[in-house]
Amino acid sequence: AQSVTQLGSHVSVSEGALVLLRCNYSSSVPPYLFWYVQYPNQGLQLLLKYTTGATLVKGINGFEAEFKKSETSFHLTKPSAHMSDAAEYFCAASLTNAGKSTFGDGTTLTVKP
Amino acid sequence: ETGVTQTPRHLVMGMTNKKSLKCEQHLGHNAMYWYKQSAKKPLELMFVYSLEERVENNSVPSRFSPECPNSSHLFLHLHTLQPEDSALYLCASSQRNTGELFFGEGSRLTVL
Repeated sequence: AQSVTQLGSHVSVSEGALVLLRCNYSSSVPPYLFWYVQYPNQGLQLLLKYTTGATLVKGINGFEAEFKKSETSFHLTKPSAHMSDAAEYFCAASLTNAGKSTFGDGTTLTVKP
Repeated sequence: ETGVTQTPRHLVMGMTNKKSLKCEQHLGHNAMYWYKQSAKKPLELMFVYSLEERVENNSVPSRFSPECPNSSHLFLHLHTLQPEDSALYLCASSQRNTGELFFGEGSRLTVL
């Protein structure tokens, strides 16, 4: 069975610092990979996705992620954190149909002034 | 309106009540989903409808009853719920096989 592991349920960074949120997946074939963001009292919003092609994927709000097949990883980064980036972030993997996406447990990002 | 709309945003109900959650998508998608998000638990997929047919039911108790009358609307009928059913219920839609989910803002359910 496919699984998604997000290392660190809470990550705290200072404003302007690098953001790194880790995600590893277990799958016998390269899956579709996604990062979603959830702000308080809202639904999830897609940040970026990897399907095929270029392994470095750019998303909204300055985020990007790199698919590394050899490491089965899809870590999310942003060079400089903003206060508005404080939210919960979910990594997800899907082999085919989106509804069968497996989600990680989520990482809460706190940004300190 | 655009996107995925859920109503009501907040719902408080007793264990003997019957209520329904509604979801509407304006994206032209052909698949819709119900997810449950509880505190300190991973997102749980409850039901999947593809082309208005239920294609997945992940061992959800029968006190939750989904209905998908057309490709734009999805309901979750609730009856005789338990306090542990209190959670954020998220509706999502997608175009089949694109891999990308579009979520509504959720319905926060509290069962007393």
